[in-house]
Amino acid sequence: RKEVEQDPGPFNVPEGATVAFNCTYSNSASQSFFWYRQDCRKEPKLLMSVYSSGNEDGRFTAQLNRASQYISLLIRDSKLSDSATYLCAVVRGGGYQKVTFGTGTKLQVIP
Amino acid sequence: ETGVTQSPTHLIKTRGQQVTLRCSSQSGHNTVSWYQQALGQGPQFIFQYYREEENGRGNFPPRFSGLQFPNYSSELNVNALELDDSALYLCASSKEVGSYEQYFGPGTRLTVT
Repeated sequence: RKEVEQDPGPFNVPEGATVAFNCTYSNSASQSFFWYRQDCRKEPKLLMSVYSSGNEDGRFTAQLNRASQYISLLIRDSKLSDSATYLCAVVRGGGYQKVTFGTGTKLQVIP
Repeated sequence: ETGVTQSPTHLIKTRGQQVTLRCSSQSGHNTVSWYQQALGQGPQFIFQYYREEENGRGNFPPRFSGLQFPNYSSELNVNALELDDSALYLCASSKEVGSYEQYFGPGTRLTVT
């Protein structure tokens, strides 16, 4: 089983729709969680950290479910500019920052 | 922009050759991690440097090596290049070794023929 798993998609959604992605992780000792956005042939960009209490940034909401070992990203009122690949990243506890990324979920917002 | 820069942007090498990739961290960041991203995959952790010392390593062979300099810039060296080394190589800096928020440079796209 992969340490971090994501549905590769693609998710094709109309503008204005709400879309949610999940990311599961296998190591219960994982401590920190992030969502990154990656545009085609560009570097990943930090979208948001995921806190135990959940967090929201505008149209984006991230949640953590430690019991079921997954994190989620909800995008409301999708824009064409949201089209990208969304990577989840999980940090395992320990003496160094070993960040494990999922393979990413591709989102295509269509007019 | 994150302030993390990498050079070169593209590189073509032949199997068996050696390559050095460079990264300048964002100002105020003292930790650098290197990742390999193959097409259609997420970034794979190669290693991390903190205060000029390797601070952790992923599942990459010893022919992948690195350096960090006093100004926190970094190099990734790959010896005896193989075709499978063709990928986007990303460096990411973070403010402290205990901070997990990483900011990526634009990457170097390496093609091995």
